[in-house]
Amino acid sequence: AQSVTQLGSHVSVSEGALVLLRCNYSSSVPPYLFWYVQYPNQGLQLLLKYTSAATLVKGINGFEAEFKKSETSFHLTKPSAHMSDAAEYFCAVTPRSSASKIIFGSGTRLSIRP
Amino acid sequence: KAGVTQTPRYLIKTRGQQVTLSCSPISGHRSVSWYQQTPGQGLQFLFEYFSETQRNKGNFPGRFSGRQFSNSRSEMNVSTLELGDSALYLCASSLEVAGGSGNTIYFGEGSWLTVV
Repeated sequence: AQSVTQLGSHVSVSEGALVLLRCNYSSSVPPYLFWYVQYPNQGLQLLLKYTSAATLVKGINGFEAEFKKSETSFHLTKPSAHMSDAAEYFCAVTPRSSASKIIFGSGTRLSIRP
Repeated sequence: KAGVTQTPRYLIKTRGQQVTLSCSPISGHRSVSWYQQTPGQGLQFLFEYFSETQRNKGNFPGRFSGRQFSNSRSEMNVSTLELGDSALYLCASSLEVAGGSGNTIYFGEGSWLTVV
């Protein structure tokens, strides 16, 4: 069965510092991978998605993620954190064999220190 | 272009009652899926509809049901509400298959359900 593990339920970084949110997946076949962001009292917004075209995926708001098959990882990074990046981030996976449902990780709350 | 619209945004129900939540997908989107979000269980897939047919279902009891109309609008119903059903219910739509390689899934802002 597909699953996603996000390491760290809460990450705090200083404004301007590197943001690194970790995500590992389990699957015998590389799935489709996503990162979503949720701001308070809002729905989910897609940051980026991996569909096997390129291992380094660039998303919105300066975020990017790299798919590493050998490590079964899909970590999210941003070179310089901004106060507006404070939100909950979810890594998600959907299997290629049954692409009609998304399995989400438990989420990582990102806080930005002034 | 209007996004995914969910109504109502907030509601309070009593244990044992039933509730119906509504979702209007983005115009042209035929796939609608529903998710439950709680602090303890996180985001969990409920079901997905495409062209009025349920195509996939998560691991929820039969009290949770849904349907999709010919205009792609969808409703979900929860009967005999329990305290544990208190959650944010999110609806999402995509052009075709949710999570498919070429399709981006767009989420609504959710319906906050509180069961007392």
